[in-house]
Amino acid sequence: DTGVSQDPRHKITKRGQNVTFRCDPISEHNRLYWYRQTLGQGPEFLTYFQNEAQLEKSRLLSDRFSAERPKGSFSTLEIQRTEQGDSAMYLCASSLAGSQWSGEKLFFGSGTQLSVL
Amino acid sequence: DAKTTQPPSMDCAEGRAANLPCNHSTISGNEYVYWYRQIHSQGPQYIIHGLKNNETNEMASLIITEDRKSSTLILPHATLRDTAVYYCTPRAGTALIFGKGTTLSVSS
Repeated sequence: DTGVSQDPRHKITKRGQNVTFRCDPISEHNRLYWYRQTLGQGPEFLTYFQNEAQLEKSRLLSDRFSAERPKGSFSTLEIQRTEQGDSAMYLCASSLAGSQWSGEKLFFGSGTQLSVL
Repeated sequence: DAKTTQPPSMDCAEGRAANLPCNHSTISGNEYVYWYRQIHSQGPQYIIHGLKNNETNEMASLIITEDRKSSTLILPHATLRDTAVYYCTPRAGTALIFGKGTTLSVSS
């Protein structure tokens, strides 16, 4: 168990540029979540996948945000035409979930810190 | 989503028990209560969860009131490494919804 890995740890970009973050979940975990966290706030849920299927994306912040999880393994989160308000920590989490919602522990990565200049 | 209320900050002396309260008066019958903590610059870490019964694991104990409208996380012997933001979050499906949590400061 090597934990959830996120890359890069830090990203600095200019307003208007596109950025992509990668998340590698714990091996065998079937669920993968993306959260965003701004200073002083708790993590804000964005979207999640069950294997390769994206089951919830209504909380993605705008149509500039998109996520993929091809083949149900790693996932990418892309932000197009970045704005200064997109500056935040982007967190990924994975879990091994069965048919019940109880007892699902999320394991979080250390996040990607995005700064938009 | 059920809403939670937690005190913004608490202090605790090293070696003493830390009791962190959470109000979740709008919780529905099938929502579990989860507790996570976040140490600076890291992602949140799972601590414990429960539905109706009190729970204990190697990290903490969780006391849930009979009406399930509130719960208390207990760290029996707080250490300096327990300084973190603690989140209480009900969940019935989809994803965990985090509030601002309680910043616990443990001092020697």
